[in-house]
Amino acid sequence: GAGVSQSPSNKVTEKGKDVELRCDPISGHTALYWYRQSLGQGLEFLIYFQGNSAPDKSGLPSDRFSAERTGGSVSTLTIQRTQQEDSAVYLCASSLRFVETDTQYFGPGTRLTVL
Amino acid sequence: AQSVTQLGSHVSVSEGALVLLRCNYSSSVPPYLFWYVQYPNQGLQLLLKYTSAATLVKGINGFEAEFKKSETSFHLTKPSAHMSDAAEYFCAVRGGENNLFFGTGTRLTVIP
Repeated sequence: GAGVSQSPSNKVTEKGKDVELRCDPISGHTALYWYRQSLGQGLEFLIYFQGNSAPDKSGLPSDRFSAERTGGSVSTLTIQRTQQEDSAVYLCASSLRFVETDTQYFGPGTRLTVL
Repeated sequence: AQSVTQLGSHVSVSEGALVLLRCNYSSSVPPYLFWYVQYPNQGLQLLLKYTSAATLVKGINGFEAEFKKSETSFHLTKPSAHMSDAAEYFCAVRGGENNLFFGTGTRLTVIP
């Protein structure tokens, strides 16, 4: 079946602009995660959604970052007033349930470049 | 809190040689451990995971890993490297948190 998809695959923006990154999880997966992959820093957790529960926003680096998940499916990560340090690959993952042993399936990522 | 340390950001092996990628974890609760592989311009793909059932875990593409609680390790091995194994490998831990905690990755190069 279809995996996790993300769009756009690449995004180049100017400092100060807002960007929106989209994630389509695997159909039927109730848990959705956003991670950021920066050069030399590995992957860091940003935000997590589970069903209709309030999201876990503990990983968001600043209030310029926000995310929503509509209808328990598609998610959008928004970065306002982008800064050069926001340049990274943003990865989305989904899992069938919120169980610690469930596999997280990752999308191909969106590469964000802030000039 | 959980964390993972991957020793060696770059590892090179000859084709046909043993692959050993090291991962040590820190966790205040019994951990669940994962190895993911990332090929260029692709997302992460699960190789294998430890979920407390068996300490020796076999995964895809001939990889396996052994959970050693006394050493807080979860090293990844493959008896014979193939050219197609060249990629970046990430170890991750989860335990009591909503998310995975990843190491900084090890880039594996396979020399023909």
